[in-house]
Amino acid sequence: GDSVTQMEGPVTLSEEAFLTINCTYTATGYPSLFWYVQYPGEGLQLLLKATKADDKGSNKGFEATYRKETTSFHLEKGSVQVSDSAVYFCALSEGSGGYNKLIFGAGTRLAVHP
Amino acid sequence: GAVVSQHPSRVICKSGTSVKIECRSLDFQATTMFWYRQFPKQSLMLMATSNEGSKATYEQGVEKDKFLINHASLTLSTLTVTSAHPEDSSFYICSARAATGEKANTQYFGPGTRLTVL
Repeated sequence: GDSVTQMEGPVTLSEEAFLTINCTYTATGYPSLFWYVQYPGEGLQLLLKATKADDKGSNKGFEATYRKETTSFHLEKGSVQVSDSAVYFCALSEGSGGYNKLIFGAGTRLAVHP
Repeated sequence: GAVVSQHPSRVICKSGTSVKIECRSLDFQATTMFWYRQFPKQSLMLMATSNEGSKATYEQGVEKDKFLINHASLTLSTLTVTSAHPEDSSFYICSARAATGEKANTQYFGPGTRLTVL
């Protein structure tokens, strides 16, 4: 079945460092791809998404490009802040007909130090 | 962005009692709502998908008689954990999705409910 693989964390960076969190997927169709962020004790917030190949999702300085040829959707940010410390989940949406299920990766914890 | 609320945010109950968790979409009509369970430092596991006015579809391994889901309106879904036991302690998160419009292809998540069963 469909699946999502994320790089293992934790990722520890200094403030203003460059961030990359790798995400690859396996899917039989043409899924939509998402990055969600979860702050401590909270639910998930949609960070960005891309619905077709070569689309770039971006939000709050984060961006990710839907690469069909490498089945990847890596998350990047040029300069991280302490407030970016959270768990990041890559996900794909499978299925059709309005009943799409989300398949999540294991999550990558990011810790940014001043 | 869309707003989805959950109530309560935290609940502690005794073993053997039942607990109801509400999930509401506040600014759109959610024809589909999803219930997830998240164990500490792990990813979300889909428990069931509920569609307004019909029975929920449960994932393999999820007991439908233990986790009762009702989606009676386009803005409200409830999850009832019946005869709760300590192993049911977890973080329960709902999400909502619209049938049409801009919000149709994205799940919007609630803030989660922390259930502790003593």
